[in-house]
Amino acid sequence: AQSVTQPDIHITVSEGASLELRCNYSYGATPYLFWYVQSPGQGLQLLLKYFSGDTLVQGIKGFEAEFKRSQSSFNLRKPSVHWSDAAEYFCAVGAGGGGSNYKLTFGKGTLLTVNP
Amino acid sequence: ETGVTQTPRHLVMGMTNKKSLKCEQHLGHNAMYWYKQSAKKPLELMFVYNFKEQTENNSVPSRFSPECPNSSHLFLHLHTLQPEDSALYLCASSRESGGRREQYFGPGTRLTVT
Repeated sequence: AQSVTQPDIHITVSEGASLELRCNYSYGATPYLFWYVQSPGQGLQLLLKYFSGDTLVQGIKGFEAEFKRSQSSFNLRKPSVHWSDAAEYFCAVGAGGGGSNYKLTFGKGTLLTVNP
Repeated sequence: ETGVTQTPRHLVMGMTNKKSLKCEQHLGHNAMYWYKQSAKKPLELMFVYNFKEQTENNSVPSRFSPECPNSSHLFLHLHTLQPEDSALYLCASSRESGGRREQYFGPGTRLTVT
């Protein structure tokens, strides 16, 4: 079974600083990888996804993520954080083939605080 | 985001009440999901429906009863809940279940069981 680890429960950065949120997954084959963001009181919004091909993927709101097979990682980055980026971020891995065997497994999330 | 809507947004119910959560997706998707989000825990998949057929029940207690009358609507009927069932219940949809299908989420229903 697949699993996702987000090592950082809470990260605080200053507005304008760069950001990297870590995500490690465990799965025997190439997984499908996702980053979602959740603002307070809201549902999850898809930021970006990786299925295959170029290992650096661009998402919405200026975010990008890089798939590194050798490290089983899919870290999320943003060069300059805005106050509106304060939210909780979830990494997810989809794996298990097609049909009913497919599962989307989420990490526990990283809460991002942005200082002015 | 209006692709997936959920009502009500907040619900307080006693342990002996019966209530229902509603989810509607306007994305033309064929798969719908219920998740439970509790504090300090990862999202827990509860149920999956694909083309109106239930394809996953993740060992959810029978006090939660899903219903999917068509591909656009999903309900979660609640009865005799426990305080530990208090959580944010999220609905999601995707084109189909399985494979490289990203899921789109609604805003959730914040449920408090008293």
